[in-house]
Amino acid sequence: GAGVSQSPSNKVTEKGKDVELRCDPISGHTALYWYRQSLGQGLEFLIYFQGNSAPDKSGLPSDRFSAERTGGSVSTLTIQRTQQEDSAVYLCASSLLGGGAVDEQFFGPGTRLTVL
Amino acid sequence: AQKITQTQPGMFVQEKEAVTLDCTYDTSDQSYGLFWYKQPSSGEMIFLIYQGSYDEQNATEGRYSLNFQKARKSANLVISASQLGDSAMYFCAMTASGTYKYIFGTGTRLKVLA
Repeated sequence: GAGVSQSPSNKVTEKGKDVELRCDPISGHTALYWYRQSLGQGLEFLIYFQGNSAPDKSGLPSDRFSAERTGGSVSTLTIQRTQQEDSAVYLCASSLLGGGAVDEQFFGPGTRLTVL
Repeated sequence: AQKITQTQPGMFVQEKEAVTLDCTYDTSDQSYGLFWYKQPSSGEMIFLIYQGSYDEQNATEGRYSLNFQKARKSANLVISASQLGDSAMYFCAMTASGTYKYIFGTGTRLKVLA
């Protein structure tokens, strides 16, 4: 596709369940980012992938959060044993260069997660 | 540590008028980039404009211009001839050369009045 896509667009789950959020970056983009946006807040950095390098997980809020990127393309963000405070919009972005070059990030439409 | 401050949680502007959204930043880096993104109610983040710290001229993109005042560490977004479709949240962000993380402000919600 032409842009970054994310699925599902909305996810409602019960507290304690695991969820998986998917991101398809723009073809050819080497860098992929996950952010979390809580209601009325700016974006909070979660994790960054660049090519085949080890990801920067410094923004993950707890060990219940993990992410992987297969084949340098699709990424999955997994939240285990979800809590109500995990409710937020999870945004994925990709960029062409990453790795310290100041380049534009292209964002997907986000996944709205609601934990009941 | 880097920080972005947007002091206007909400703004109103009359259609066809210009509006300025404020953004100040704090960084000790010499090389950095400043970005503005628009987030309509659909939720998607739309890139508007970029200013590099070494760019001597203010960036412009159509009706958007960035009023970059390096000494004051401000990067205000100016929208000329506002349109109803400009109603959205606007985020200022920065990243330093050598890093890849965006630091976002808390945003300004703009409402354009007919």
